[in-house]
Amino acid sequence: RKEVEQDPGPFNVPEGATVAFNCTYSNSASQSFFWYRQDCRKEPKLLMSVYSSGNEDGRFTAQLNRASQYISLLIRDSKLSDSATYLCVVNSPEGGDYKLSFGAGTTVTVRA
Amino acid sequence: EAGVAQSPRYKIIEKRQSVAFWCNPISGHATLYWYQQILGQGPKLLIQFQNNGVVDDSQLPKDRFSAERLKGVDSTLKIQPAKLEDSAVYLCASSLMPDANYGYTFGSGTRLTVV
Repeated sequence: RKEVEQDPGPFNVPEGATVAFNCTYSNSASQSFFWYRQDCRKEPKLLMSVYSSGNEDGRFTAQLNRASQYISLLIRDSKLSDSATYLCVVNSPEGGDYKLSFGAGTTVTVRA
Repeated sequence: EAGVAQSPRYKIIEKRQSVAFWCNPISGHATLYWYQQILGQGPKLLIQFQNNGVVDDSQLPKDRFSAERLKGVDSTLKIQPAKLEDSAVYLCASSLMPDANYGYTFGSGTRLTVV
């Protein structure tokens, strides 16, 4: 079983729509969680951290469900510029250290 | 704040040749990572440095890959000899703290094509 699994998509949505997708993780001891955004042929960039109580950053809302071991990302009022691959990242303890594990990404395409 | 610098941006080599990539992390970031990202996949950690010491190199193919960070700042990743399956983007990232609870910053990567 992969440490971090994501629906690869693609999610094709019209401008203004709401799109949401999940990511599951296998290590119940995972400590912190992030969503990264990766544009085509670019490096991943931190979009937002995910907190236990859920958090918002403008049109983006992230949720964490520790019981079911998943995190989610919701994008409201989608813009063309939101088209990207969204990587789920989980930070877990391993051998006295910490390790970031990346999902393969969920591709979102926003059309005019 | 200057970001993570990597060079070269692109490299095309023939199989069995050798290649080296360079990374300069954000100033003051003690932890440096090299990741390999194959097309359609998420980044996979190759090696993690804390200052000039190796913290994790469990997924580094040591028969052909090597990395060093001699003075605890810049780092180089080398592949010798390269195989076709090494074609990927090699990303360097750095973080202030080793526990990565604040995420970390990636460089723009080196896109390697092995032919």
